[in-house]
Amino acid sequence: EAGVTQSPTHLIKTRGQQATLRCSPISGHTSVYWYQQALGLGLQFLLWYDEGEERNRGNFPPRFSGRQFPNYSSELNVNALELEDSALYLCASSPPVRSGIRNQPQHFGDGTRLSIL
Amino acid sequence: GNSVTQMEGPVTLSEEAFLTINCTYTATGYPSLFWYVQYPGEGLQLLLKATKADDKGSNKGFEATYRKETTSFHLEKGSVQVSDSAVYFCALILGNTGKLIFGQGTTLQVKP
Repeated sequence: EAGVTQSPTHLIKTRGQQATLRCSPISGHTSVYWYQQALGLGLQFLLWYDEGEERNRGNFPPRFSGRQFPNYSSELNVNALELEDSALYLCASSPPVRSGIRNQPQHFGDGTRLSIL
Repeated sequence: GNSVTQMEGPVTLSEEAFLTINCTYTATGYPSLFWYVQYPGEGLQLLLKATKADDKGSNKGFEATYRKETTSFHLEKGSVQVSDSAVYFCALILGNTGKLIFGQGTTLQVKP
């Protein structure tokens, strides 16, 4: 079974630019989650999508946004990039909420390393 | 608020030593608890989980028991190998939020 795949592996941008990160969940998973792993700040929850809808959002400014497509893949967009946005961005997926089983384990990809110059 | 606290690392052990990484949590309600492992240059891998009090999660020789009375979920392994060298994260999730709350991570280094 293919795991969660993220692209690109690395992304280098300059301040003020926009970045788009992509994630494909495990087959059969409809929930996609995004986390930021920044040096010194640990792992922080960004967004949760399930079956195309945004279900929850972490404490990040509105320039962090995303969407989920009909095939359940997802994009994370970061506008007006700032130096502090440099981090590893991790995507995770889990089975559908409608499965009725709460808090299913989230399975992570290897991340996109975003560097802001 | 809800939070997870892990013992500070790095933890350095010799091969075949016994491992304990402490994890305690604060939560309003009854969380599900997880241990994840991150190898260099990789994402997180689920190591084990427990969803209710007194549950024991186990995988690849690692074990952790959900202790509600002490709000703890300590990770143990009887005999570590060099290949276990990684960063270990304890995490909780509450309700149907989708939000994993992580501890700060504990680096384990195992020497031959």
